Amino acid sequence: AQTVTQSQPEMSVQEAETVTLSCTYDTSENNYYLFWYKQPPSRQMILVIRQEAYKQQNATENRFSVNFQKAAKSFSLKISDSQLGDTAMYFCAFMGADSNYQLIWGAGTKLIIKP
Amino acid sequence: DTGVSQDPRHKITKRGQNVTFRCDPISEHNRLYWYRQTLGQGPEFLTYFQNEAQLEKSRLLSDRFSAERPKGSFSTLEIQRTEQGDSAMYLCASRGTGVTSTDTQYFGPGTRLTVL
Repeated sequence: AQTVTQSQPEMSVQEAETVTLSCTYDTSENNYYLFWYKQPPSRQMILVIRQEAYKQQNATENRFSVNFQKAAKSFSLKISDSQLGDTAMYFCAFMGADSNYQLIWGAGTKLIIKP
Repeated sequence: DTGVSQDPRHKITKRGQNVTFRCDPISEHNRLYWYRQTLGQGPEFLTYFQNEAQLEKSRLLSDRFSAERPKGSFSTLEIQRTEQGDSAMYLCASRGTGVTSTDTQYFGPGTRLTVL
């Protein structure tokens, strides 16, 4: 069965700093998708970035980028020039055919951006 | 594209009562998912629809839980004889069949259930 592990329960950085959130996963599939979602306090789950496993190039979305290491089954999220609005829970999630394309989630990392 | 909507946003009920939640997916999305999320945890999968067919149910979904998607559009999740352990956020997500969106689930704001 697929599993997703986020080993950092909580992180805090100063505004404008760069922060990296870790995620590892376990699967026997070769083609799958990985996601980072953001959930601000009492608010909606929002997609931050997605990565297709067949693509070698790391995904980027403005200040957000990933370091996808397929062989190591690692999928970290880097947030550059962090802003107060980045304060949220961040969840790493896996989706593949063996799980009927349901999302398998990590436990989340609480990220606090300090002014 | 108005996004995924859920109703109600909050529900407080007494133990033993029945509750029903509604999810309206993005209009062109044929796949719909329900998840449950307890405080400080990641979501857990409950059930999945493709059009009106319920294709998968988690073992978490006890006999007290039932979900429907009668016309392949909106979905309802009913919990009968609620228990305090049912208190959680119930999230709905949809996924489409278009070229750019087949692999991404878009979430609604959730329904927060409190069972007293």
